[in-house]
Amino acid sequence: EAEVAQSPRYKITEKSQAVAFWCDPISGHATLYWYRQILGQGPELLVQFQDESVVDDSQLPKDRFSAERLKGVDSTLKIQPAELGDSAMYLCASSLALSYEQYFGPGTRLTVT
Amino acid sequence: GIQVEQSPPDLILQEGANSTLRCNFSDSVNNLQWFHQNPWGQLINLFYIPSGTKQNGRLSATTVATERYSLLYISSSQTTDSGVYFCAVELRGSGAGSYQLTFGKGTKLSVIP
Repeated sequence: EAEVAQSPRYKITEKSQAVAFWCDPISGHATLYWYRQILGQGPELLVQFQDESVVDDSQLPKDRFSAERLKGVDSTLKIQPAELGDSAMYLCASSLALSYEQYFGPGTRLTVT
Repeated sequence: GIQVEQSPPDLILQEGANSTLRCNFSDSVNNLQWFHQNPWGQLINLFYIPSGTKQNGRLSATTVATERYSLLYISSSQTTDSGVYFCAVELRGSGAGSYQLTFGKGTKLSVIP
């Protein structure tokens, strides 16, 4: 069964350092999403791509976060510099197209010390 | 933006018992999904159910879109059902918040032997 892949699964970094997460969506899925989940809460959307174009990045803290999906397939989310408040689970999801069922990857658990 | 409320926030069941989880939402939706988040943080798709009723084994779900609620039924619960259950909705239309899932805060289920 096709799955969304993410790496790394766990990341510990010191504040002010740069960190990057990678996501490979299910093959053929045009839409890719990055969510952030703080402990005890539901995931919240950071950025959404349709192929290589950003559909919505209104909730992405653009002073320190960036995301790209250059060839419309896999995607990278970067934080520079990391802050203590960035400690969270970062989840990637994909769907066939906008408004279709979303499937999530296993996530990257980030701890900033 | 759209509001998603889940109840109860916490639920403790004896193995073999049945339960009903509720999700209320404040606006018309294109998409509604139920997820189970396991102890490792993976979000597992349970149902894609913008309207109607679906069943999958011991689980079933009903969405009454006109009354803006959805129910998830778990029958003959097992210890492996433990975890957090999330309801997520996508706002109908093309305005701000569309084409993205807004999650409730979840119901934490603990099934004890």
